[in-house]
Amino acid sequence: DAKTTQPTSMDCAEGRAANLPCNHSTISGNEYVYWYRQIHSQGPQYIIHGLKNNETNEMASLIITEDRKSSTLILPHATLRDTAVYYCIVMKTSYDKVIFGPGTSLSVIP
Amino acid sequence: SAVISQKPSRDICQRGTSLTIQCQVDSQVTMMFWYRQQPGQSLTLIATANQGSEATYESGFVIDKFPISRPNLTFSTLTVSNMSPEDSSIYLCSVEDTASGSYEQYFGPGTRLTVT
Repeated sequence: DAKTTQPTSMDCAEGRAANLPCNHSTISGNEYVYWYRQIHSQGPQYIIHGLKNNETNEMASLIITEDRKSSTLILPHATLRDTAVYYCIVMKTSYDKVIFGPGTSLSVIP
Repeated sequence: SAVISQKPSRDICQRGTSLTIQCQVDSQVTMMFWYRQQPGQSLTLIATANQGSEATYESGFVIDKFPISRPNLTFSTLTVSNMSPEDSSIYLCSVEDTASGSYEQYFGPGTRLTVT
């Protein structure tokens, strides 16, 4: 069974921030939150990951609640090229396998 | 980051035949993974392939149907045996980046298989 729950789909206006939520209420202490996305007809692409602190990179920001039971991926200025399926995944590091749930289909609208 | 290539990129095969998919990585990696993505679905992990040991298969996947080879640290093959139309999917390989400490996975572009 998937360890995460995400909305099936979301829309976002181009240029606005896209906030993608994820629930992972059964996360254990040594598990990280990873985000990947899959643009149509391509392989999945790593975005960001975190343990308990908020993280930011050139692609996105990851906000993890203090109890670690949920997180939000933020794309600060969504573009049409950000239209993709976004997967929130909980896993340990060091040789753990990535199990994909259904993800959130994000549509960025002009 | 790792660059992954797969061959073939797509194929159309007749039922009852077998197809071997190749996955090549531009750096040495310990763990490689094979996934299947059926039309309109998410990715499903088939097996984990480590060099020098037998592949570990997920529930619902067996070695006779999906034999895997891992002869070295940069290459792996997945064979889809005795194919039926239900095997029509995209097959993707991925590798885990352990060198940087992030353990993120990199994915190949996929092999689109159609079985008629």
